[in-house]
Amino acid sequence: DVKVTQSSRYLVKRTGEKVFLECVQDMDHENMFWYRQDPGLGLRLIYFSYDVKMKEKGDIPEGYSVSREKKERFSLILESASTNQTSMYLCASTPGASGRRYEQYFGPGTRLTVT
Amino acid sequence: AQSVTQLDSQVPVFEEAPVELRCNYSSSVSVYLFWYVQYPNQGLQLLLKYLSGSTLVESINGFEAEFNKSQTSFHLRKPSVHISDTAEYFCAVSASEYGNKLVFGAGTILRVKS
Repeated sequence: DVKVTQSSRYLVKRTGEKVFLECVQDMDHENMFWYRQDPGLGLRLIYFSYDVKMKEKGDIPEGYSVSREKKERFSLILESASTNQTSMYLCASTPGASGRRYEQYFGPGTRLTVT
Repeated sequence: AQSVTQLDSQVPVFEEAPVELRCNYSSSVSVYLFWYVQYPNQGLQLLLKYLSGSTLVESINGFEAEFNKSQTSFHLRKPSVHISDTAEYFCAVSASEYGNKLVFGAGTILRVKS
């Protein structure tokens, strides 16, 4: 079974802190994604990556950056956390060159609270 | 702009009653369609998907969804729900005009009451 793990289930940070969210998948998937989930808004794509050292902006990249130094690991970085970044963050991965028709496998999520 | 609309934010239903969760999308070209489920305090799991072929797809736990191209819909149905079906359900669409990414609806919370 594909396993996607995220470094923390719950995280509390202060405004202005630099925050790292880590995601690791164990199935050699090419594609990895970071979403944030907010009530009534569903999942919104922050960044995604189709290959090592490659990244593309999603729909809401402002205030975030990412890093993919190894195929299995995709990190989301909040350079200076703000209260409006309090949310549930979900990582996902999928195989295939484009990933279009493949199931996305999700991690359990990290609930981040910024105070 | 691309969009996926889930028409109901919450659906309360009694146990053993039928349920339909509605999903419409805006793409006009060929699409791949998915329903994901999120149980409390968990990540998303794939419930079922339509890639091609038969327009009626089924899951192992009794849910089914029908792809209706003319109405651009992919509604999710179950003839008899259980308490354990209480969860949030997300419809998602992938299409070339979405840049081959998944676009999610806002979600529908299904609350099954005894």
